[in-house]
Amino acid sequence: GQQLNQSPQSMFIQEGEDVSMNCTSSSIFNTWLWYKQDPGEGPVLLIALYKAGELTSNGRLTAQFGITRKDSFLNISASIPSDVGIYFCARGGDRDDKIIFGKGTRLHILP
Amino acid sequence: EAGVAQSPRYKIIEKRQSVAFWCNPISGHATLYWYQQILGQGPKLLIQFQNNGVVDDSQLPKDRFSAERLKGVDSTLKIQPAKLEDSAVYLCASSLGLGLAGGVNEQFFGPGTRLTVL
Repeated sequence: GQQLNQSPQSMFIQEGEDVSMNCTSSSIFNTWLWYKQDPGEGPVLLIALYKAGELTSNGRLTAQFGITRKDSFLNISASIPSDVGIYFCARGGDRDDKIIFGKGTRLHILP
Repeated sequence: EAGVAQSPRYKIIEKRQSVAFWCNPISGHATLYWYQQILGQGPKLLIQFQNNGVVDDSQLPKDRFSAERLKGVDSTLKIQPAKLEDSAVYLCASSLGLGLAGGVNEQFFGPGTRLTVL
């Protein structure tokens, strides 16, 4: 089946640092999605990417759809305490609406 | 606007017991999804409804799991009998509908029900 490999699995950073995480796949995707999950909550969509090479920003978040359509990265600039959580990449959307999630990157921010 | 509602938020049962989870999607959302999220993993789709019909239940362990959405609005997911490996968070999500043009049909998730099977 389709496998998504997210890295790193977890990150410990200082407040104010920039963060970068990525996701790779063995298959070509038409849509990449990035979600964030806070403790005790369901995932929330952050950014959706539809075209190879597309670079999209949402506030301090920036994500890119890789040219090969097999990878994507998410950057967070100037991290703040509320950025703590689990970030998931996902293969998503298309006409059947099936979303396949990666295992997540757990972001911890040190005071 | 109210989000996706789920209950209960937590449930602890012993193996071989039965359990049921309830979900009320966002008003007007035709598509409803149930996901299983095991600790340390991303959510995995169990079943997808479009109105009151099943679109995809290929990942649902049908020998013990069942789900229904009789009136095309709220839904229940049942496990009978539960096994230790069913311990997970069960997430419900809803979206406007399948196959909409112009991008992702965004799914909105509820807070989940955390199930512990002892």
